[in-house]
Amino acid sequence: DAGVIQSPRHEVTEMGQEVTLRCKPISGHDYLFWYRQTMMRGLELLIYFNNNVPIDDSGMPEDRFSAKMPNASFSTLKIQPSEPRDSAVYFCASSLVNRAYEQYFGPGTRLTVT
Amino acid sequence: AQTVTQSQPEMSVQEAETVTLSCTYDTSESNYYLFWYKQPPSRQMILVIRQEAYKQQNATENRFSVNFQKAAKSFSLKISDSQLGDTAMYFCAFMKSSGTYKYIFGTGTRLKVLA
Repeated sequence: DAGVIQSPRHEVTEMGQEVTLRCKPISGHDYLFWYRQTMMRGLELLIYFNNNVPIDDSGMPEDRFSAKMPNASFSTLKIQPSEPRDSAVYFCASSLVNRAYEQYFGPGTRLTVT
Repeated sequence: AQTVTQSQPEMSVQEAETVTLSCTYDTSESNYYLFWYKQPPSRQMILVIRQEAYKQQNATENRFSVNFQKAAKSFSLKISDSQLGDTAMYFCAFMKSSGTYKYIFGTGTRLKVLA
């Protein structure tokens, strides 16, 4: 299996620009999670989906952040407009519905907003 | 609310020796999972070991084992025969066994294995 795939691996953008991060979960997995990792806050869950439906978005920091999952094999996390404090590593993870405690992480996207 | 505390920001160990990383947590839940994740310089989060709270037996995975003390809310990771490839950040994490499938991560321990 290819594992969870994220793109891009690195993204550098200027403040105010729109940023889109992409994730392809492991085939057959029903849950998809988006996490953010910063020095200040550590690893925190932003949102997760079950069968393409958002279940818990309480971790999304503000309205500038949005996430979609149009089909079982693709999800996006969008930041519009981006700000320097959004600089972080963003991880996507997926799991089976009956093993949601066992999440497989992608390699992450390092986002730098200047 | 649940919290996870890792009190050792950094540790080092000689190759082939044994090291123990500490983790304590706080919860009012009776059923939950505990995890250790490894994050090498490549940034990939890798599951090392998982423990179900209802199981009294400590989990083991090859050179990795845990000491789970439910009453004390302690969950330490022991790495035996340390290898250079074990150099990484190690995160302890908690998840309730029902409801939101949300990890609560500790702040991590940076482990360096010395040749």
